[in-house]
Amino acid sequence: EPEVTQTPSHQVTQMGQEVILRCVPISNHLYFYWYRQILGQKVEFLVSFYNNEISEKSEIFDDQFSVERPDGSNFTLKIRSTKLEDSAMYFCASSERVIVAFFGQGTRLTVV
Amino acid sequence: DQQVKQNSPSLSVQEGRISILNCDYTNSMFDYFLWYKKYPAEGPTFLISISSIKDKNEDGRFTVFLNKSAKHLSLHIVPSQPGDSAVYFCAASEDWGAQKLVFGQGTRLTINP
Repeated sequence: EPEVTQTPSHQVTQMGQEVILRCVPISNHLYFYWYRQILGQKVEFLVSFYNNEISEKSEIFDDQFSVERPDGSNFTLKIRSTKLEDSAMYFCASSERVIVAFFGQGTRLTVV
Repeated sequence: DQQVKQNSPSLSVQEGRISILNCDYTNSMFDYFLWYKKYPAEGPTFLISISSIKDKNEDGRFTVFLNKSAKHLSLHIVPSQPGDSAVYFCAASEDWGAQKLVFGQGTRLTINP
């Protein structure tokens, strides 16, 4: 069964460093998303991406965040200068059509 | 931001019985609702959805009920199985074309043998 894959599964970084979280969406899907879940809190929407551009983003997704689909298969989330409060589980998701999103297993980001 | 609320953080049910998970929402613009299941160290897995034009949707052991006037939905699992033990998230979206899902806090379901 096709699935969304994310790498790495765990990333530890120092505060102020840049990180790139990587995702390979399901191959025939057209819509791509990033969500995050801070420990003990809700899963929160960050950004959606369609047709090579951001289609919607949340208030969390400020200038330190960016997304890219560099090569037609990968979908990346870059955090330019990480803060302690960026520590969370980051989930990539994709969908063939809108709404029903299929999630990857997540990347646990720890900022120290 | 409490647009989607799951007021029970945990629920324990005996194997073979019915599990009922509840979800309330405040945003009357929500038009489409989904349930996801999550095991530890995995991402959320889509279970079942319902649009606001329906009041019930069934898929095997899973049934979702929607009461729009009460802004309430519930997920029924019958019969409950040990493999159903997981965290269940309710999620909502404002319309079919919207791409943002708003999640509840989740309910941890434990099925006891």
